[in-house]
Parts: sequence; C-alpha cells; structure tokens
Amino acid sequence: AQKITQTQPGMFVQEKEAVTLDCTYDTSDQSYGLFWYKQPSSGEMIFLIYQGSYDEQNATEGRYSLNFQKARKSANLVISASQLGDSAMYFCAMREPRAGRRALTFGSGTRLQVQP
Amino acid sequence: NAGVTQTPKFQVLKTGQSMTLQCAQDMNHNSMYWYRQDPGMGLRLIYYSASEGTTDKGEVPNGYNVSRLNKREFSLRLESAAPSQTSVYFCASSDGTGKTYEQYFGPGTRLTVT
Repeated sequence: AQKITQTQPGMFVQEKEAVTLDCTYDTSDQSYGLFWYKQPSSGEMIFLIYQGSYDEQNATEGRYSLNFQKARKSANLVISASQLGDSAMYFCAMREPRAGRRALTFGSGTRLQVQP
Repeated sequence: NAGVTQTPKFQVLKTGQSMTLQCAQDMNHNSMYWYRQDPGMGLRLIYYSASEGTTDKGEVPNGYNVSRLNKREFSLRLESAAPSQTSVYFCASSDGTGKTYEQYFGPGTRLTVT
C-alpha cells in the first residue's frame, strides 16, 4: 500500500522568501508519479507540479520546484519568492501505478501562510 | 471548455435521506474518480471508473454507489445518508494516457448530514 506523509501541519513564510514543504512517500513500486496540489480557501484543487519516478531531473514550473530525492523517498515542494496569494493548503499526492486505476493517494496537507 | 463540473455545490441532508451527486467532464477522458475530503485531511478515493461501463471501489466505498452513465458523466449516490458522510466531495477525471496522468478536479460539493 502506498502512503504519503506531510509532517508540517502549518508553515509561515515572509513575503518574497523561499519556503520548502516536506513530503515523504512509501511505495514498493518502481514506477510512480508524485504531484503537488494547491487548495486555496475557495476550495478548488489546483495542480502545481509533477515528478515521475524515472525522471532524472527535478521538476520545475515557474516559482515551483520539486526537490526529488529518490533514495530518501522524499519529494519536497520549494516555492521561491513567496507571494500573499500563495497562502493555501498544499497537498502532496502519489499516483498509483496500476493501469486502469491511476488514482491518487494524498497526504494530510500543509497550511502555508505568507506574511507581508 | 468547462473542464469538470459538479452539482450541487452545497447540500444539507437529514440522516436517512438519499441524494445523487452529479459530475460531468468535457475533456473526453476515460477515467473518472470520486474523492471525499474530511476536515484537516487529504482526499480519499471512494470509487473510480477506468472507462465507460466499468466502476470499482476505492479506499472508502461503504455507504456509496456510483454509475458511469456514459463517457462524460459519473454520479455518486448516497442511499441513506449518515452524519459520518458529512464531507466535501470532489470528482476528478484523467485521460489515462500520456506522461503524468494528471487528474483534473471539479469545484467540489460540500455536503452536511444532520
């Protein structure tokens, strides 16, 4: 069974600073995918970034980067130059490898608050 | 292109009542999913449908039934609502191909059972 652990229930960061949100995962599969989603107070789920288990380079999407350390089974999200609009819940998720299912297993989330 | 739509946005039920949550996607995706999100938690899979005509249980299927009406629509039914089913329900879809199998989420339905 897959498992995602996010150990930081809440984080504070000053505007314009960088912040790292932690995510560790547990799986016995060799092929898997890792996602980060943002959930603002309005409630929708917004896809941020994806990392495949066979991707050699860390994924980047604008101000978001994923610090993927396969041996440590960690996939931390780094947000550079934080903005007030980054205040939200952030969820790490792993995609099941089984063909035909491909559902996501989510962590419990980290609430990020960006302070001016 | 509306993406994934869900109705209703909000619903209050009394214990024992039934209701159906509707979900539709216009992205021609094969796979569709229903998740629930309880306060302070991540999303958990209730049911999924890998393709039209097929459905299967996820992590928390008890008390729910689903119907994959066609490729676009995937409904979730609560036959006899219980307070433990108070939650936010998200529908999602995925094309099941490509590199990421990214899931696209609907806006959610906030359900309260009293």
